[in-house]
Amino acid sequence: QKEVEQDPGPLSVPEGAIVSLNCTYSNSAFQYFMWYRQYSRKGPELLMYTYSSGNKEDGRFTAQVDKSSKYISLFIRDSQPSDSATYLCAGGYGNNRLAFGKGNQVVVIP
Amino acid sequence: GAGVSQSPSNKVTEKGKDVELRCDPISGHTALYWYRQRLGQGLEFLIYFQGNSAPDKSGLPSDRFSAERTGESVSTLTIQRTQQEDSAVYLCASSLRRQDYEQYFGPGTRLTVT
Repeated sequence: QKEVEQDPGPLSVPEGAIVSLNCTYSNSAFQYFMWYRQYSRKGPELLMYTYSSGNKEDGRFTAQVDKSSKYISLFIRDSQPSDSATYLCAGGYGNNRLAFGKGNQVVVIP
Repeated sequence: GAGVSQSPSNKVTEKGKDVELRCDPISGHTALYWYRQRLGQGLEFLIYFQGNSAPDKSGLPSDRFSAERTGESVSTLTIQRTQQEDSAVYLCASSLRRQDYEQYFGPGTRLTVT
């Protein structure tokens, strides 16, 4: 079993809709959870970073972590065509190694 | 400021040849990571450098893969006797210090082995 599971999609939504992305993880030691955004033929860029359980909001983006169910979520409100990208979730703990999901391709249709 | 840079951006090589990939981390970042991203797959950890400590090589897939880093600067990833399954995007990331999970990625080197 991979440490982080993520449905690769693709997910298509109309502009202005809410995008909901999810990952599950198996390693109970994970304390840090990230979401990266990766545009085609570019390196991933850090979008959201949360520690332990809870919510974190940054503009149109909200990240949620539920450690009891080992579930990570990212919500994008008022989605824009520029949000079209692949979104990667990741988890990590004290050894600095991040385990990544496969990535979820999102297409926002104008 | 300047981000993580990698070179070359693309590399096509014949099976059996050696290749060397280069990463320039963000200035002042002590930690450096190499990942591999195969088509349709997530990022796969390869190796981690932190300052002058011994690197964590536990993700290297075979002894054909090796990496070096001089101090807290440039790193090179070398793949010897390349195989077609080595075709992937090789990504480098750096972070400010040990146990800093905010890793900043370079654009990657797209390696194609023919």
